[in-house]
Amino acid sequence: SAVISQKPSRDICQRGTSLTIQCQVDSQVTMMFWYRQQPGQSLTLIATANQGSEATYESGFVIDKFPISRPNLTFSTLTVSNMSPEDSSIYLCSARTPGRETQYFGPGTRLLVL
Amino acid sequence: SQELEQSPQSLIVQEGKNLTINCTSSKTLYGLYWYKQKYGEGLIFLMMLQKGGEEKSHEKITAKLDEKKQQSSLHITASQPSHAGIYLCGADIAGANSKLTFGKGITLSVRP
Repeated sequence: SAVISQKPSRDICQRGTSLTIQCQVDSQVTMMFWYRQQPGQSLTLIATANQGSEATYESGFVIDKFPISRPNLTFSTLTVSNMSPEDSSIYLCSARTPGRETQYFGPGTRLLVL
Repeated sequence: SQELEQSPQSLIVQEGKNLTINCTSSKTLYGLYWYKQKYGEGLIFLMMLQKGGEEKSHEKITAKLDEKKQQSSLHITASQPSHAGIYLCGADIAGANSKLTFGKGITLSVRP
C-alpha cells in the first residue's frame, strides 16, 4: 500500500494571498491527482499531476489559479492562488498505479480563506 | 446531472442492524471504489470492484457490482458505531484506468 502525507494539514489565509500544498507518497506511483471537497459536497477533480509535464486540468479549473508541479514520481504540489473565501475547502492529494486495485488519498488540507 | 448517484442520502440505524447503500450510474463502471470518510479526515479505501457480478467482503462489509456494471451496493452486517461516517463511491467511467468520478456520499449514523 501507499501512504500519502500532505502539508500543511490546515491553514487560515487572507484573501488575495496564495498557499502551496505539498503531497508526498512513500512509494513511486504513476498517477497523482488533486481533488477539492467543498463543505458538504463530494470530491471534485481539479487536475491530474503529470510527472515532468504540465498538469491536465478539469473543466472549470485553470493553471493560473491552481498551478501544479510534479517533479518526480513521489511528490507534487498544488498552489491555490489569489485566494477568495470561495476557495475554502479541503484539498486532497491522491495517487494510483494502473493495474493495482487501490487509489489512495492523503489526509487532506483544510483551507479557510477569510 | 450527477454521473454517480448514491442512495439514500443519509441513513440512521440502530446498532446491530444490517444496512445496504447504493451507487448507480447511467454509464459503465470500469472500476468502482468504495471509501469511508470520517468528518474532517481523509478517505479510507474499503474495496474496489471491476468485474460484472463481482463481490468482495472485508470484515462485516460486503460490496457487489451488478452484472451490467452500472450499480454497486455496499452491505454492512450487524452495524456498529465504528461504521458511522460518510461512504463515498468513486468510479472510472471512461475506462483505461482514468480519473475517478465521485458520488455525493452517504452519511451513516449508528445509534448505540
